[in-house]
Amino acid sequence: KNEVEQSPQNLTAQEGEFITINCSYSVGISALHWLQQHPGGGIVSLFMLSSGKKKHGRLIATINIQEKHSSLHITASHPRDSAVYICAVRAGQFYFGTGTSLTVIP
Amino acid sequence: GAVVSQHPSRVICKSGTSVKIECRSLDFQATTMFWYRQFPKKSLMLMATSNEGSKATYEQGVEKDKFLINHASLTLSTLTVTSAHPEDSSFYICSAPAGVDGELFFGEGSRLTVL
Repeated sequence: KNEVEQSPQNLTAQEGEFITINCSYSVGISALHWLQQHPGGGIVSLFMLSSGKKKHGRLIATINIQEKHSSLHITASHPRDSAVYICAVRAGQFYFGTGTSLTVIP
Repeated sequence: GAVVSQHPSRVICKSGTSVKIECRSLDFQATTMFWYRQFPKKSLMLMATSNEGSKATYEQGVEKDKFLINHASLTLSTLTVTSAHPEDSSFYICSAPAGVDGELFFGEGSRLTVL
């Protein structure tokens, strides 16, 4: 049983499309993180959320604590957004989703 | 933002040898460091949590004697893979929480290949 479920696992989009990646979790959390991992392996923290919504440029992250669900949205997607996006929650320890592999085609 | 520097980025070693991976927090004090392992096309697997000045907490199934973690200072945590075997080949990455919110900052990762 996975404490964190992400969907979709793989996603291919045309440049400019609006993209949504979903994350559902089953444990009580203190925070939820959205991470981006590029092909070289480096990981960047995009957002840390405990409630509501955050926006950085073309990226928007939302969380619904009652429904135990978070979404990561990318507006006007670009090929450089191609990466694996990982949802992680902190509930004492960390639990990680299996990641969503995004490919944006020019 | 905070920076975590991880070295080496790639290491190849012979079976039976030990390999040390370092993670340094460059512009903040990392009281906690998380160590992860990642298999190809898989997500991160938390191996252990190290806290400065105390023993690391290992996740279930992670061999403490195989993966030695030391966090002797507020800016340096090390992972030593002892008596490495080919099945230890993997991508190892560290992260530390920083700032008021505890946002995670990741090292660049270390790709270990054991021949």
